[in-house]
Amino acid sequence: GEDVEQSLFLSVREGDSSVINCTYTDSSSTYLYWYKQEPGAGLQLLTYIFSNMDMKQDQRLTVLLNKKDKHLSLRIADTQTGDSAIYFCAERSRWGKLQFGAGTQVVVTP
Amino acid sequence: DSGVTQTPKHLITATGQRVTLRCSPRSGDLSVYWYQQSLDQGLQFLIQYYNGEERAKGNILERFSAQQFPDLHSELNLSSLELGDSALYFCASSVGTGTGGSPLHFGNGTRLTVT
Repeated sequence: GEDVEQSLFLSVREGDSSVINCTYTDSSSTYLYWYKQEPGAGLQLLTYIFSNMDMKQDQRLTVLLNKKDKHLSLRIADTQTGDSAIYFCAERSRWGKLQFGAGTQVVVTP
Repeated sequence: DSGVTQTPKHLITATGQRVTLRCSPRSGDLSVYWYQQSLDQGLQFLIQYYNGEERAKGNILERFSAQQFPDLHSELNLSSLELGDSALYFCASSVGTGTGGSPLHFGNGTRLTVT
């Protein structure tokens, strides 16, 4: 079946890099996404990667995809207090279904 | 601002009642999706409409129904409400049907509290 798993919590010091990991099981995944949810808000699209890519960089964000291991990661460089939020990874199968992970709560400490 | 508008922001109602949640998608987006977010179930896909037609169905209860109107706005109707229906309900929209890569853009949600 399809499943997306993430660790539930990550604590990081301000200025350090954060790495949020995600694994998925659907080998037909076409696109993988990272969303950010701040308290009381909706899910904000951060970035996404096509499954035939290994890496995508967008300013402070770097997405790495290991398709063989079905592992996706999001690296946030120079983490700031404003990066404290819940981060969701999601994978889209070739049939269009979008499956979300449970979310990783990132807490940035000064 | 994602461009997806949901109303109302908060809704408090009693068990057994019926409510309607409203969503206006981003300009140009033809697909509307409804998700339920609760602490114990996470983010659950309910239903998708594309250009007025039901496209995909997820874990939507029979007490719940939705529709997408000709102007592309959508409504989610929840009836015979139970305490367990208390959750955040999100609407999202995308350009395409969902088989391509067009990402979903989410509204800020409607927080439903059933007492």
